[in-house]
Amino acid sequence: TQLLEQSPQFLSIQEGENLTVYCNSSSVFSSLQWYRQEPGEGPVLLVTVVTGGEVKKLKRLTFQFGDARKDSSLHITAAQPGDTGLYLCAGKYNFNKFYFGSGTKLNVKP
Amino acid sequence: DADVTQTPRNRITKTGKRIMLECSQTKGHDRMYWYRQDPGLGLRLIYYSFDVKDINKGEISDGYSVSRQAQAKFSLSLESAIPNQTALYFCATSRTGGGTDTQYFGPGTRLTVL
Repeated sequence: TQLLEQSPQFLSIQEGENLTVYCNSSSVFSSLQWYRQEPGEGPVLLVTVVTGGEVKKLKRLTFQFGDARKDSSLHITAAQPGDTGLYLCAGKYNFNKFYFGSGTKLNVKP
Repeated sequence: DADVTQTPRNRITKTGKRIMLECSQTKGHDRMYWYRQDPGLGLRLIYYSFDVKDINKGEISDGYSVSRQAQAKFSLSLESAIPNQTALYFCATSRTGGGTDTQYFGPGTRLTVL
């Protein structure tokens, strides 16, 4: 059983469309991170959210942490082909250990 | 030069063989991690080390062992490889008191056990 469930698993959209990726759990996390991973490379951190209800923006990407710190979402506005990749959420538990979700594979077609 | 390097990048081996994957970092971080990534399962923590004398099991440590030879080096061993250990393996580092707990990942080692 996955501690963190990500949805959707796969997403294929046209350039310019908006999308939202979800990360849900029944557990409370002290913080939650979002990573992006490109083929042949390791994940790269995009953002860390710490406070329930927190919203962070990174250019066209908006990240939200749920009020109860059990879920998070990533919204991309006007997606571009450069946004293509695997998006992973990771929840912090027990000092400095993280549980990772299974990922959302995003393909943005030109 | 990459801050976190992993060798080898690709390895094909046979069932029963002993395999060592190596990780080196030039970031000066004290914390190092080994993860495996399987399709549909995300990254799962195998072992982690918060300093040279500290080794801890993660979610899936059975069949694996690690060695922290120096602050900059953390190796993962498969004593007797089996096919279901075929996966992508990542090393990561972070710094104690780093605020956002950012983990920096290496490029990965693709291991195939036949």
